[in-house]
Amino acid sequence: DTAVSQTPKYLVTQMGNDKSIKCEQNLGHDTMYWYKQDSKKFLKIMFSYNNKELIINETVPNRFSPKSPDKAHLNLHINSLELGDSAVYFCASSRQNQETQYFGPGTRLLVL
Amino acid sequence: AQSVTQLDSQVPVFEEAPVELRCNYSSSVSVYLFWYVQYPNQGLQLLLKYLSGSTLVKGINGFEAEFNKSQTSFHLRKPSVHISDTAEYFCAVRNYQGGSEKLVFGKGTKLTVNP
Repeated sequence: DTAVSQTPKYLVTQMGNDKSIKCEQNLGHDTMYWYKQDSKKFLKIMFSYNNKELIINETVPNRFSPKSPDKAHLNLHINSLELGDSAVYFCASSRQNQETQYFGPGTRLLVL
Repeated sequence: AQSVTQLDSQVPVFEEAPVELRCNYSSSVSVYLFWYVQYPNQGLQLLLKYLSGSTLVKGINGFEAEFNKSQTSFHLRKPSVHISDTAEYFCAVRNYQGGSEKLVFGKGTKLTVNP
């Protein structure tokens, strides 16, 4: 039944490590997104993929690399984690040229 | 690029009181506006959206918003709030870039409903 799912829900790791967050949507949508929500609750888009093709990259450091193996998945890999990467990461999806985005439950990343 | 400003970072109210959460957008020829709600430790859920047509938009959980072009506002209202409405509320505007949608969010308004 879950429309947009993310794993893991919580991720605690050390500085310098590499980690991945997975996102899957079963809505048949063409477009998927990653958003970052900082400690002040500010939400900002990081990436957007349309049919497995990168469309938007909002000046995110190269340490962040999205990977879309198919239309239903958009994973986020982060290299050399830094303290400032601690945040909640939300995946979302939508139909192409449709207005409503559906969000996943979020992945709470804490870098120690 | 379009943007939104949420004027209040926190709004405390008593249960069963009316509430208005304010949102202003940057002026543009056409604008698509949204309100999302985030309950504690959860993801975002769409409350309502304005695309075109009637300026009064009704959403879920008894919320409504009015699109006001002259005042470039899209304020969210509820006539009587419940404790369960305690959450963070985000106003957002759609930007269309490179063949893809992008939502630009306001900084959020924390609504706290007290008994």
